[in-house]
Amino acid sequence: DAGVTQSPTHLIKTRGQQVTLRCSPISGHKSVSWYQQVLGQGPQFIFQYYEKEERGRGNFPDRFSARQFPNYSSELNVNALLLGDSALYLCASSLALASYEQYFGPGTRLTVT
Amino acid sequence: GEDVEQSLFLSVREGDSSVINCTYTDSSSTYLYWYKQEPGAGLQLLTYIFSNMDMKQDQRLTVLLNKKDKHLSLRIADTQTGDSAIYFCAESMTGGGADGLTFGKGTHLIIQP
Repeated sequence: DAGVTQSPTHLIKTRGQQVTLRCSPISGHKSVSWYQQVLGQGPQFIFQYYEKEERGRGNFPDRFSARQFPNYSSELNVNALLLGDSALYLCASSLALASYEQYFGPGTRLTVT
Repeated sequence: GEDVEQSLFLSVREGDSSVINCTYTDSSSTYLYWYKQEPGAGLQLLTYIFSNMDMKQDQRLTVLLNKKDKHLSLRIADTQTGDSAIYFCAESMTGGGADGLTFGKGTHLIIQP
């Protein structure tokens, strides 16, 4: 079975631009969460979506937004990019809202210049 | 707020046992996790333990939880070169629900031949 998939693998953007990252959960999983991992740090929680609704949000500015589609895939959008947004963006899927087993994808490496 | 702390590096000889330690501050943490991250990859769920348990064993992995001291440890028996990675401790009140997972900064496990 395919695991969590994310696209693109790598991305280079300029300050002030906007970016969209994509995630497909494991088949049958209905919950998707997004995390930001800055180099040398642990992942930080950004959002959780379940059944197309936002169910949780971490301490990130409004420049960060996300949505979940009827097929449970998800997009993370970041507007007005800053140099500090350079990070590995990880998507995790789980069966339900709090099913305590979260499985992570390989991530999208975003570099902002 | 919640905080999860880990030592940054651990060096062990191949064949020895590795013990990676973690402390957390949130007494309402219900679920505690260990994830493994290899270079350039996403996070792999190794194991998790509920706060009402003291110990969990899974093949070469043993998790010990001291809830009174808010201390979690991961023991890897017969450490192999393939165990070389960054190990993250994480906690959650809801099992990865609306509060997401709170991660430590990770422990780099270095295997000496």
